[in-house]
Parts: sequence; C-alpha cells; structure tokens
Amino acid sequence: AQSVTQLDSHVSVSEGTPVLLRCNYSSSYSPSLFWYVQHPNKGLQLLLKYTSAATLVKGINGFEAEFKKSETSFHLTKPSAHMSDAAEYFCVVSDRSGGGADGLTFGKGTHLIIQP
Amino acid sequence: NAGVTQTPKFQVLKTGQSMTLQCAQDMNHNSMYWYRQDPGMGLRLIYYSASEGTTDKGEVPNGYNVSRLNKREFSLRLESAAPSQTSVYFCASSTDTVIETQYFGPGTRLLVL
Repeated sequence: AQSVTQLDSHVSVSEGTPVLLRCNYSSSYSPSLFWYVQHPNKGLQLLLKYTSAATLVKGINGFEAEFKKSETSFHLTKPSAHMSDAAEYFCVVSDRSGGGADGLTFGKGTHLIIQP
Repeated sequence: NAGVTQTPKFQVLKTGQSMTLQCAQDMNHNSMYWYRQDPGMGLRLIYYSASEGTTDKGEVPNGYNVSRLNKREFSLRLESAAPSQTSVYFCASSTDTVIETQYFGPGTRLLVL
C-alpha cells in the first residue's frame, strides 16, 4: 500500500523569498514521485518527476525537489517566489508494483499564497 | 496540438438526470483517466482505460460508467445524478503506464441540485 501526506494545507510567503512545500510518502516498493501544479480554474500540469535516477530533480519555472529515501520525503523548493507561483500544488506517488492506474495516489494539496 | 479537451466546461443537473462528459486527446496516448476533485480531497480516480478497448474501475467508480470510444476519446456517464456527484471532473491521458506523465484537461464543473 502507498500513501502521500502533504504536511501543510496552506503556505504563505512573500514575493522574492524561498518556497518550501513538504511531502512525505510511504510505499512498499521503489516509488515514482511527482509534483503537479494547478492554477485557478485550470487542469493540473506536471512540475517535475522522480523515477529513480538523480535524487535532486529540477522542474519547470525554477522548482526543484529532492528525493530522500531515509526520510521518505520529496519536498518541493524554489529559491525565490514569484506572484505567478500562486496555485495549488499536489504531491503524487506511484507504486510501480500496483500496475494500471490504481498505483497512483494524490496528496490533498497545498495552497501556495504569495504576498506582494 | 490541443492536448486534452473536455466538454462541457460547466453543467447544472437536477437529481436523477443523466449526462455524459466528453474527453478527447490528440497526443496518440494509449491510457486515459477520469478523476474527480473535491475540496480538501485531492484527486480521486473514477475509471481508467489502459488502452483502446479496455476500461477498469478506480477508487470511486460507483454511480459512473465509461466508454473508450476509440484511441482519442474517453467519455464518462452519470446515469442518475446525485448531489454527492457535485464536483470538478478532470480527464487525463498518458503515453502508457501510470508512471508516465499525465496530461490533464481543463476540467468540467458539475453541480447537481
């Protein structure tokens, strides 16, 4: 069985300051991990994904995430927040053993607020 | 390329009415998915189609049916809508398996009165 926990439902930062969105997962197998972003009234868009290659993954728009197996974490970071980063962010875990789409589990989301 | 398109964008139904949500992708993807999104719940999988001609239940299939009409199109049908089905519905597609990147449509907002 697999699960994913996004530790903060809301995060508020000032423009130009660092962003940290936290995600912990559990998986019985080697997981694939994703971060998706959803802007208001839009569909989800992939930010980045980890699939057992480099543990530090770089994504679009300056975001990156580090896979830490010992901490079962996959936190999303960005050095300097921009107003356009305001959105909902979802951490997603895929258990390869599951097969089919049953192996995909979404976190409940973190709402990122950017203060001017 | 339009990517993943969904129709309608918004729909209001009365309890007991039926409707079909349409989804199409132009990326030649094999796999397609239907999710619902409710506040504070993340996305939950309703049904998926791993390839043309196959469909399988996801986490929350009750009250829904699907049809993989061809490789491009995957529709979701509510036979008798209930207020609990008020939600935002997203269609997605991916090349093959779930570990591949999924591409999402813009969503359909459904309100059941």
